[in-house]
Amino acid sequence: GAGVSQSPSNKVTEKGKDVELRCDPISGHTALYWYRQSLGQGLEFLIYFQGNSAPDKSGLPSDRFSAERTGGSVSTLTIQRTQQEDSAVYLCASSLQGGTGELFFGEGSRLTVL
Amino acid sequence: GESVGLHLPTLSVQEGDNSIINCAYSNSASDYFIWYKQESGKGPQFIIDIRSNMDKRQGQRVTVLLNKTVKHLSLQIAATQPGDSAVYFCAETYNTDKLIFGTGTRLQVFP
Repeated sequence: GAGVSQSPSNKVTEKGKDVELRCDPISGHTALYWYRQSLGQGLEFLIYFQGNSAPDKSGLPSDRFSAERTGGSVSTLTIQRTQQEDSAVYLCASSLQGGTGELFFGEGSRLTVL
Repeated sequence: GESVGLHLPTLSVQEGDNSIINCAYSNSASDYFIWYKQESGKGPQFIIDIRSNMDKRQGQRVTVLLNKTVKHLSLQIAATQPGDSAVYFCAETYNTDKLIFGTGTRLQVFP
């Protein structure tokens, strides 16, 4: 597709369950980011992938959160043993080269933990 | 830690007026700044950027001003239109690849 694609768009889960969120970046973009946006809040950085470099995981809030990027393209954000405070919109963005430059965002995956 | 914040959480303007959205940043080493617009239910969209070696940059109906002395960034929207209603975020980066975003300012445009 032409833009960043995220799935699922909405996910409702029970506390303690694991969830996986998927991001398909724009073809050819080497940089991929995950951000979290709680209701009425800004964007909280989670993790950043750039090419074959080791990812910057400095924003992951706990060891329940992990992410991988396979083949330099699709990325999966996994949240284990979900908690109610994990409820938020998870946004993925990609950019052509990383570093400074325009990020192209997907429409997000809204996660609700009951 | 480093953070980007906004002075006004909500800004209400009349259609046709000019809007000014302000942002303060805390890291004097930040060298690149971007404004994003987020409409309800959508991801943020790039509006305009500016590097620290500039103090002003203009786009179509938008101008970004950077005052490094007081670490202040502003977004000016000329002749505000109903379609400009959204949440606006400023973001900064300082010698790393990750952008740090502020909380956002909601712009409401009234007819």
